[in-house]
Amino acid sequence: DTEVTQTPKHLVMGMTNKKSLKCEQHMGHRAMYWYKQKAKKPPELMFVYSYEKLSINESVPSRFSPECPNSSLLNLHLHALQPEDSALYLCASSQPSGREQFFGPGTRLTVL
Amino acid sequence: AQKITQTQPGMFVQEKEAVTLDCTYDTSDPSYGLFWYKQPSSGEMIFLIYQGSYDQQNATEGRYSLNFQKARKSANLVISASQLGDSAMYFCAMRGGGGTSYGKLTFGQGTILTVHP
Repeated sequence: DTEVTQTPKHLVMGMTNKKSLKCEQHMGHRAMYWYKQKAKKPPELMFVYSYEKLSINESVPSRFSPECPNSSLLNLHLHALQPEDSALYLCASSQPSGREQFFGPGTRLTVL
Repeated sequence: AQKITQTQPGMFVQEKEAVTLDCTYDTSDPSYGLFWYKQPSSGEMIFLIYQGSYDQQNATEGRYSLNFQKARKSANLVISASQLGDSAMYFCAMRGGGGTSYGKLTFGQGTILTVHP
């Protein structure tokens, strides 16, 4: 299995809602990543988990809360988001010392 | 700090022709990795090709080759025999050389490639 899956594909939420994005991989990778991407812009790194521990937090607002419950799963909990948080959220995985990162198809988030 | 520059916002190519997408980079790390990703309108980032800073030969993967000129700090992507399905956004990216930056990918602004029939 060489795939990273993300659910849901699309999400519309209000500013007072709480929702979660889910990412899963079964490639045995021990590093997982969350990126945020606005239209026609490059992805921006948000968080990196290495061996299930948060290793990089790129000064992301606390309304985004990552969680890595095991080596295959990565969640992004969302609370009190702003309309400017609307974007494509990409998950990726790799070996910590590996070459390429494998990306999932993303979740398109709209905050109303 | 690392920086990736893609100076071509958009490129057009005729089907079956070759096209070169430009990428220059800046880093003080002696060890680094360079990547090209393709992003169709569906959104998924598709890995195309990788070049390590110590690799002696230019990387090739099928119709993709990377023209690596270390002294000039350039890592251009060459797509041979373009196909309509190659129309997409292309990102050049660099991975940090070590320490806590090892897993970080720094992306360029991207180039939108359009293949005409």
